[in-house]
This record gives sequence, C-alpha cells and structure tokens, in this order.
Amino acid sequence: QSALTQPASVSGSPGQSITISCTGTSSDVGGYNYVSWYQQHPGKAPKLMIYDVSNRPSGVSNRFSGSKSGNTASLTISGLQAEDEADYYCSSYTSSPLFGGGTKLTVL
Amino acid sequence: QVQLVQSGAEVKKPGASVKVSCKASGYTFTGYYMHWVRQAPGQGLEWMGWINPNSGGTNYAQKFQGWVTMTRDTSISTAYMELSRLRSDDTAVYYCARGLAPPYYYYMDVWGKGTTVTVSS
Repeated sequence: QSALTQPASVSGSPGQSITISCTGTSSDVGGYNYVSWYQQHPGKAPKLMIYDVSNRPSGVSNRFSGSKSGNTASLTISGLQAEDEADYYCSSYTSSPLFGGGTKLTVL
Repeated sequence: QVQLVQSGAEVKKPGASVKVSCKASGYTFTGYYMHWVRQAPGQGLEWMGWINPNSGGTNYAQKFQGWVTMTRDTSISTAYMELSRLRSDDTAVYYCARGLAPPYYYYMDVWGKGTTVTVSS
C-alpha cells in the first residue's frame, strides 16, 4: 500500500478557513468511510481530530470538520487560530490503518 | 484519567533487538486494542500493528511481519512491542496508542508520549 497523498504545506491567516486534502484510491479512501485525521504539534503525540470521515471525538472543537468526495478526503479548519499551527495526518483503514504523508499548517 | 506511560529512551546497536513497554491506566486494559505507530526524525507516521489485549491476537503491517512482535501482560495492564534485527533506519519515536471502543478500534484516541529508539554503531 502506498501512503495517502497530502499537500506538504498549507497556510492561512487567523480567522480564515483552510482545507487540507488527502487523496487515495478506490481501495482505501474512496471505498470506505474509515477516514480519520490527526493533529500533531512539534514534539508531541498525535491527537485524533476526526474519525469516520466527519465525526469529531468528544472535546474536539467544532471548527474542525471532515468530508469526502470520491477518492479524496478533506479536513477543513474554520476560524483559524494560532494554536492550530501543527502537522496534520489523514488515515484510511482497510485491512490496516494507512497514513498520509502529513501537511504542515502555518498560521500567518 | 486514561493514560499510557511508555518506557524510556533506548540506544541500540545494529542487529540488536529493542522491547518497548506501554502501561495503561484509567480504563479496562482488555477492552481496547493497542496500536503501535512509529515516526522517524522529520518524517510522517507509520502504523506498525495492533494487539487485542483480551485475546492476544495481533495484526502486523505487512512491512513488519517477521520482525516485530507485540505482546501484553494483562496482570499489569502493559503492552509490549519488540523489534528485532535493528537497522539505522529504525531510529524513530515509537508510540503506543489505544484504539477507540469497538467497533471503531482502528482509530487511535489516546497516545503515549513516545519512546525514542536510536540505532547506532
């Protein structure tokens, strides 16, 4: 299995919205609704932000939302805040979890 | 509260093995899968496998089959990941992470702080 494809970096200003894409194939992202997103601040462990494409675990801000169209899943962060600056990883599950390469979000 | 406490940093020589522990607290250890994920310096996340602490059953990523072993000791709520025949490119931070409650066990909601494994001659 190849890693899912994410842009290396995205940026936005405080208050704006940004979207991070995650492209797979019909065998992973496109074939199942088992897509999740993780946030990782430097030197810290990842944190689950979205699961099952668009569900938020308890405690995760509703500024974070997920969606999927075809073989591409997306994470949207609205009302961008400085604390959102981090790396974001998508993941898709088929017989085992598969991660994307990660996207560095910079808040300008 | 729910937490996973991992063992300390390790320095190993090429060809050696390393065994990392992950002690769970604050929840029923046997009720949730335990994943292992690694991250090489400056790189992304790589899923290694999971263990069902209740049955001891495992599912390893194809890449790691034959050289990773995941076990658990339910009496002390601890999971273990052992990687053998270490190479320099196994240098990474190794995380344990709890799966969500079934049937969402493939998502990881609680993570340990990570264990740094350095492989160097």
